[in-house]
Amino acid sequence: AQSVTQPDIHITVSEGASLELRCNYSYGATPYLFWYVQSPGQGLQLLLKYFSGDTLVQGIKGFEAEFKRSQSSFNLRKPSVHWSDAAEYFCAVGAQGNEKLTFGTGTRLTIIP
Amino acid sequence: EAQVTQNPRYLITVTGKKLTVTCSQNMNHEYMSWYRQDPGLGLRQIYYSMNVEVTDKGDVPEGYKVSRKEKRNFPLILESPSPNQTSLYFCASSPFNTGAQYFGPGTRLTVL
Repeated sequence: AQSVTQPDIHITVSEGASLELRCNYSYGATPYLFWYVQSPGQGLQLLLKYFSGDTLVQGIKGFEAEFKRSQSSFNLRKPSVHWSDAAEYFCAVGAQGNEKLTFGTGTRLTIIP
Repeated sequence: EAQVTQNPRYLITVTGKKLTVTCSQNMNHEYMSWYRQDPGLGLRQIYYSMNVEVTDKGDVPEGYKVSRKEKRNFPLILESPSPNQTSLYFCASSPFNTGAQYFGPGTRLTVL
């Protein structure tokens, strides 16, 4: 069965600092990997996705993520965070031909001035 | 505008009173799904549908029903709601074989 672990429940970062959110997955074959963001009171918005090919993927809002098969990881990064990045971030894993997504428990990001 | 809509957005009800939460998408997506979000548990899939008249259980289907009679609609039915179904519910849709799901705004349900 597929699973996702986000080890950090809550992260606080200063505005302008760099960010890395961790995601580890468990899946038997090549996974589809996703990062979603949920702003307070909102639904989830897709930030980026990895299906195959280049292991460094670019997303919206200046985010990127790197797929590392050897570490079963898909960490999300941003070089310089903005106050508007404060939100909850979810990593998810899926499979080709099967639309089922399994989500991690989320990481809440707080930005301090 | 391409979107997934849910109604109602907020609902307070009592134990045992049947309710339906509607979900509609205007993107002609094949795949639709329902999730519930609870603190510390992330999103858990309730039911999903690969296409019209094709539905299947997710991880937490007990106490819920769904139907997919039209491609655009995927209602979630709680025949006899209980307090443990108090949660935030999201509907999502995606084109087949992309995995990139589009989420609705959520329905906050409270069962007293």
